Amino acid sequence: GAGVSQSPSNKVTEKGKDVELRCDPISGHTALYWYRQSLGQGLEFLIYFQGNSAPDKSGLPSDRFSAERTGGSVSTLTIQRTQQEDSAVYLCASSLEVQGSKQYFGPGTRLTVT
Amino acid sequence: DAKTTQPTSMDCAEGRAANLPCNHSTISGNEYVYWYRQIHSQGPQYIIHGLKNNETNEMASLIITEDRKSSTLILPHATLRDTAVYYCIVREANAGNMLTFGGGTRLMVKP
Repeated sequence: GAGVSQSPSNKVTEKGKDVELRCDPISGHTALYWYRQSLGQGLEFLIYFQGNSAPDKSGLPSDRFSAERTGGSVSTLTIQRTQQEDSAVYLCASSLEVQGSKQYFGPGTRLTVT
Repeated sequence: DAKTTQPTSMDCAEGRAANLPCNHSTISGNEYVYWYRQIHSQGPQYIIHGLKNNETNEMASLIITEDRKSSTLILPHATLRDTAVYYCIVREANAGNMLTFGGGTRLMVKP
C-alpha cells in the first residue's frame, strides 16, 4: 500500500517568506508527527497529532512554526518569515497505534532558506 | 541527558553479521528498547523493539541483557543496502508521542 508522502520534495525560499509543507499519512493512521533534521544532526521532534485531541506542540522552536491536520488526515506545517536556520529536512511520520511504537516516515521535504 | 549510548560508527564486511551495541543503564521497568535506521536521504525506518525478551523478525534480532541495561541489534547477513545510521531509542510503550533520536551508529557495510 501507499506509504507516507510529502510535498514538495525540495523547496528553496528566500529569507522572510512563508512556506507550507504537506504530509499525507498512511490511510487510517490516527497519529501524525512532524520532525526536522538539520544537516548532519539527529531528528528533532516538532509536533504530534492524535485523533481529535489537541496537538502536542511542545517541540515547535518558535511561534513562526504552526501545523494543522484537517479531517484527521492531511497535515500542513507552516513556517512564517523563514530564517536561514530553518533550513533542514522536514520529516512527517504516521502511526496506526495510539502508542506510536511503529512510526512510518515519509521521504521528507528539504527546505533551503537563502 | 541521553538515555542511550551508542558507538558513533562501525564497519562490517558484507555477508557477515553486524552487531550494534546500545547502552541504556538508566532504563526503567516500563520502557521498551526500539531500533530504527535511516538510510541516506530517506526517512527513518522501524526495525524492531522489545521489553526484556529477545526478539526476532525478518529484518533483525534484538538481544537484551538480563538486567536490561544494554542491548544488541543483530543483522545476521549484512548487505551493502544495510549501510545506514542505526538509532537505539528507549521509550515507554504508551508514551503515544514522539521518538527521541540520539546520534545513532553509522554502520558502513563494505564489500
